[in-house]
Amino acid sequence: GESVGLHLPTLSVQEGDNSIINCAYSNSASDYFIWYKQESGKGPQFIIDIRSNMDKRQGQRVTVLLNKTVKHLSLQIAATQPGDSAVYFCAENVQGAQKLVFGQGTRLTINP
Amino acid sequence: NAGVTQTPKFQVLKTGQSMTLQCAQDMNHEYMSWYRQDPGMGLRLIHYSVGAGITDQGEVPNGYNVSRSTTEDFPLRLLSAAPSQTSVYFCASTGTTNEKLFFGSGTQLSVL
Repeated sequence: GESVGLHLPTLSVQEGDNSIINCAYSNSASDYFIWYKQESGKGPQFIIDIRSNMDKRQGQRVTVLLNKTVKHLSLQIAATQPGDSAVYFCAENVQGAQKLVFGQGTRLTINP
Repeated sequence: NAGVTQTPKFQVLKTGQSMTLQCAQDMNHEYMSWYRQDPGMGLRLIHYSVGAGITDQGEVPNGYNVSRSTTEDFPLRLLSAAPSQTSVYFCASTGTTNEKLFFGSGTQLSVL
């Protein structure tokens, strides 16, 4: 069935380093994936998305990688800044379905 | 544009009380949805709507009702509040069915 999970619930990195947040999914029929950032007391904010016909997509300081062979999704944040501290969620959607399935989230902490 | 607006931001109820969480969007989005977020868990879909007059159940619909009389508004009703409904509730919308959801800032609900 559909499920989205994260390998690590927490991640601490040094300011300026690159961060990699991982996500596993189980439904091979999922064709759309998305990452959200949620700061304390706020709603989730869109970061980047990717369709299953791609294996990489880049945004500003962020890159999403999709490996359909092992059903793995990752979010890379370059040159991590204090403002990147938040909980990051991945979510998946199956074509024709009408709901996003969210993972549990990874808390990213930036050490000065 | 204000985006997705949720009211109230905070609410305390007694067991058995009823109330309505309001959600409005000014982006002319057809798709709207309600999620709840509990500690240590991802977002779980309660109800969703693909357009005015159309609603459907999500993953955890019990104890909640919705209606969609206009494109802009998607209220969530708690019929008889229970402590298990203590949570943070997020409304979201999108113009492309269930992709790149835009979230409101949330309603924190406590049921005593």
